[in-house]
Amino acid sequence: QVQLVQSGAEVKKPGASVKVSCKASGYTFSSYDINWVRQATGQGLEWVAYMNPNSGNTGYAQKFQGRVTMTTNTSISTAYMELSSLRSEDTAVYYCAKENFDLWGRGTLVTVSS
Amino acid sequence: QAGLTQPPSVSKGLRQTATLTCTGNSNNVGNHGAAWLQQHQGHPPKLLSYRNNNRPSGISERLSASRSGNTASLTITGLQPEDEADYYCSTWDSSLRAVVFGGGTKLTVL
Repeated sequence: QVQLVQSGAEVKKPGASVKVSCKASGYTFSSYDINWVRQATGQGLEWVAYMNPNSGNTGYAQKFQGRVTMTTNTSISTAYMELSSLRSEDTAVYYCAKENFDLWGRGTLVTVSS
Repeated sequence: QAGLTQPPSVSKGLRQTATLTCTGNSNNVGNHGAAWLQQHQGHPPKLLSYRNNNRPSGISERLSASRSGNTASLTITGLQPEDEADYYCSTWDSSLRAVVFGGGTKLTVL
């Protein structure tokens, strides 16, 4: 079955880091970029970054540069996104999506609260 | 960063035709086209159309995408209650070197 399975919801304090995972199945993981997109409650979609699992090439939205780190483990077809120095405005559902946005995970709710 | 411009809301009657627009510039829509995504409340987005205006398998033929200059459009004919959702356009911006999204259009089927 072609799918992306994300890790569970997280609650973090301001200043902390969060690492979200995204496990792919049903397609050749290393052949397609993985995008990360977030959505605050009631808001639109906001692109965070992408990574190519094969080459390691990455691209980041300017506002997240320096705060987001993406990695992949091709042996288990899993991508990771770590966001540091969390603030309340980072509270959102974080989605992973395959290269052309034709496959999405169900999302991971990250709540930043003191 | 600059995104794509979509009207916040569109309302049409049952079985009517809705055309949603997405305006960018020559660095994004004009050069790369736009993909269209549908999102129902509480669910992840779903791809309706690739940037080359092709539909993924399983997407209704009632939906068609096109582009003219820096504006992309999604036309939905024979509107059904299940078409009521938020619609987003997205593409690559070669100046920003980033993926950009529109702010989304909420389609209401009356």
